[in-house]
Amino acid sequence: QSALTQPPSASGTPGQRVTISCSGSTSNIGSNSVYWYQQLPGTAPKLLVYRNNQRPSGVPDRFSGSKSGTSASLAISGLRSEDEADYYCAAWDDSLSGHVVFGEGTKVTVL
Amino acid sequence: EVQLVQSGADVKTPGESLKISCKGSGYTFSRYWIGWVRQMPGKGLEWMGSIYPGDSETNYSPSFQGHVLISVDKSISTAYLQWGSLQASDTAMYYCARRGYNSGEAFDIWGQGTMVTV
Repeated sequence: QSALTQPPSASGTPGQRVTISCSGSTSNIGSNSVYWYQQLPGTAPKLLVYRNNQRPSGVPDRFSGSKSGTSASLAISGLRSEDEADYYCAAWDDSLSGHVVFGEGTKVTVL
Repeated sequence: EVQLVQSGADVKTPGESLKISCKGSGYTFSRYWIGWVRQMPGKGLEWMGSIYPGDSETNYSPSFQGHVLISVDKSISTAYLQWGSLQASDTAMYYCARRGYNSGEAFDIWGQGTMVTV
């Protein structure tokens, strides 16, 4: 059960659009919904996107998720300084019942 | 308010046992799976296992099976993560999280984390 693959880092200037990729396999992303979590420094993770592209109440529409095949992505448009955080993708994995696999995490830096 | 509140930080020596807790409130605790997630210093999130408080059904990641025990006392809305013999490599932040139905089975509510230092 390997972790999902994410780039270790991404960056942009305020107002820019940043995209983070997440690659998996047919047993996880290919078969199940993708979730994205944001972890601000020193805090617990927070759900950002569920069911590939749905946002919980309170999450700005600057954050958008998408999925195609065994890959997914998170886009942050209109980048703001407060978006500087670690971002993790996740998905259920059918290889073992009830198992979750997380991505390795991507550190987003606002230049 | 729906929340999960975890027990405080702990410092142990190798070989000691430990049990940390996660108390839910503001919702029907027995109807939602609770997962445990490890975050080693400077590293990413790792799912350890989950438990359904209604019947104590449990799933473990192969990476953690046999090294930790996940349990629950639904009468006090509390889930537990315990070690019989801690190792230095268990030093990490541990989070509990609720698996929400309205969020497509995502971990929608997280505890504040419990830092374990061995």
